[in-house]
Amino acid sequence: AQKVTQAQTEISVVEKEDVTLDCVYETRDTTYYLFWYKQPPSGELVFLIRRNSFDEQNEISGRYSWNFQKSTSSFNFTITASQVVDSAVYFCALSVRLLDDKIIFGKGTRLHILP
Amino acid sequence: DGGITQSPKYLFRKEGQNVTLSCEQNLNHDAMYWYRQDPGQGLRLIYYSQIVNDFQKGDIAEGYSVSREKKESFPLTVTSAQKNPTAFYLCASSIEAEQYFGPGTRLTVT
Repeated sequence: AQKVTQAQTEISVVEKEDVTLDCVYETRDTTYYLFWYKQPPSGELVFLIRRNSFDEQNEISGRYSWNFQKSTSSFNFTITASQVVDSAVYFCALSVRLLDDKIIFGKGTRLHILP
Repeated sequence: DGGITQSPKYLFRKEGQNVTLSCEQNLNHDAMYWYRQDPGQGLRLIYYSQIVNDFQKGDIAEGYSVSREKKESFPLTVTSAQKNPTAFYLCASSIEAEQYFGPGTRLTVT
């Protein structure tokens, strides 16, 4: 069975601080995909990143960076120099079959950036 | 603009009534999905469809029904059999495992 665990239910940091959101996944498949989505107060989920299991290279996109470590089954997300607009719920997700595209979501981490 | 539309944004119904939530996409994606989100919870899959005229149950299909008569449309009916229908409902379509989400419909049943 596949599972995604986001142990941090809620995090609050002061603006400009760095913050890391943890994600741990479980799967027996050797080929899988990991995702992060952002859900702002409006409710719509915004796709942030997809990584496949064969690519452990860390990725940086502006203030966002992702650390994928197969050895610990983790796919953590760091926001550098956080801004108030980063306040949202962030979901980590896992897909093991590309063809049917089913995605298993974690329960999300609610991030508050305080001005 | 390409995207997914869900209407209405807010929906109110009396208990015992069926209600249909609309989901339309113009992204030409084959696969479409319905999720339910409850406060403090992740997304749970209700139904999904890989192609027109075919759909499969997700993890919490009881009390819901869907149809997929057209590629661009995947309406969800919340029936009176659904015990706790009040929730936020998200529709998505996907290509190559990347799912794109609509703005959601918040359904309140009293």
